[in-house]
Amino acid sequence: AQRVTQPEKLLSVFKGAPVELKCNYSYSGSPELFWYVQYSRQRLQLLLRHISRESIKGFTADLNKGETSFHLKKPFAQEEDSAMYYCALSGGGSEKLVFGKGTKLTVNP
Amino acid sequence: GAVVSQHPSWVICKSGTSVKIECRSLDFQATTMFWYRQFPKQSLMLMATSNEGSKATYEQGVEKDKFLINHASLTLSTLTVTSAHPEDSSFYICSAGSGGAYEQYFGPGTRLTVT
Repeated sequence: AQRVTQPEKLLSVFKGAPVELKCNYSYSGSPELFWYVQYSRQRLQLLLRHISRESIKGFTADLNKGETSFHLKKPFAQEEDSAMYYCALSGGGSEKLVFGKGTKLTVNP
Repeated sequence: GAVVSQHPSWVICKSGTSVKIECRSLDFQATTMFWYRQFPKQSLMLMATSNEGSKATYEQGVEKDKFLINHASLTLSTLTVTSAHPEDSSFYICSAGSGGAYEQYFGPGTRLTVT
């Protein structure tokens, strides 16, 4: 079964501090992993996906198949990064996404 | 970028009535649309996958007769909550994929309150 686990419901850091949002997954095949972000009162939007290996807004995420993880990292958090972050998985050629429960990130001034 | 709209943004209805929610892809054709339900402070739960011109595929535990999905064109999918009850009150979100890109574009959601 496909499952995405985000162990932290809430994460609070100070501006300028490094931030890591954890995501672990369970999937028997080769998954596609994504991070989606939802800013206050806005719709869910794609932040990044592992296949593109790009950095968006300073965030990066590396797929670690050995640890079945896809943690989201940013070296210096900004206040505007405060949002709800969801890790998601799709696989088997399907476009269906399985979401984790989300982590609410608060960046304090 | 690709834009997905939902209508209405919020709706209040009485128990026993039916409510239709529309999901439109505004600037691209969506072969597949997805319907999610989100409870307060919880994650999105996929309800069904809507394929243009064919029957929707429902996730386990989702009543297909209660949540009717129609995807009549490449830009419109509708979700009808039939005989709504207070426990159907929730935030319903749709997303659309353009096929093969593994990226989904999300609508702003519809808040349904059943009294």
